[in-house]
Amino acid sequence: AQSVTQLDSQVPVFEEAPVELRCNYSSSVSVYLFWYVQYPNQGLQLLLKYLSGSTLVESINGFEAEFNKSQTSFHLRKPSVHISDTAEYFCAVTWSYNTDKLIFGTGTRLQVFP
Amino acid sequence: GAGVSQSPSNKVTEKGKDVELRCDPISGHTALYWYRQSLGQGLEFLIYFQGNSAPDKSGLPSDRFSAERTGGSVSTLTIQRTQQEDSAVYLCASSLAREGDEQFFGPGTRLTVL
Repeated sequence: AQSVTQLDSQVPVFEEAPVELRCNYSSSVSVYLFWYVQYPNQGLQLLLKYLSGSTLVESINGFEAEFNKSQTSFHLRKPSVHISDTAEYFCAVTWSYNTDKLIFGTGTRLQVFP
Repeated sequence: GAGVSQSPSNKVTEKGKDVELRCDPISGHTALYWYRQSLGQGLEFLIYFQGNSAPDKSGLPSDRFSAERTGGSVSTLTIQRTQQEDSAVYLCASSLAREGDEQFFGPGTRLTVL
């Protein structure tokens, strides 16, 4: 069975500091990987995804994630965070051969302080 | 264009009552998903529709939960004889059902069972 582990439930960081949100998955088959973000009082939005090709994927607001097959990881990074990045971040995985459900991690709350 | 909409946004009910939650997916999206977001449990998959059929109901927690989709569009999630542990935010998502497609999420229905 597939599973997703987000080791950090909360990550506090000061504005303009770098941040890494960790995500590890387990699966016996090929997967697609996603990061979703949930801003306060808003719905889930896709941040970025890895399907195939380049292992480094980027979002429009400066986040990036790298697919590491050997370490079964898909960590999310940003070199310099803003107050507006304060949100809950969810890593998710789905099988690469169907369009079924997403399996989510438990989420990481990123709190950016001024 | 319009996103995924859900109604009601909030529902407070008494233990033992039945509730119906509604989801209107993005027009043209053939796949529809229900998830539940609760404290301590994260985001859990409930059921997946492809058109009006539900090939994956594996996440429904008990036979008190059921869902249907009509006309390949609107879906309702029904919870019978609600229990306090059913309190959660119920999220609906839709997609074009192509491999690796993004799931677009609605704002959710917050259910509180007293």
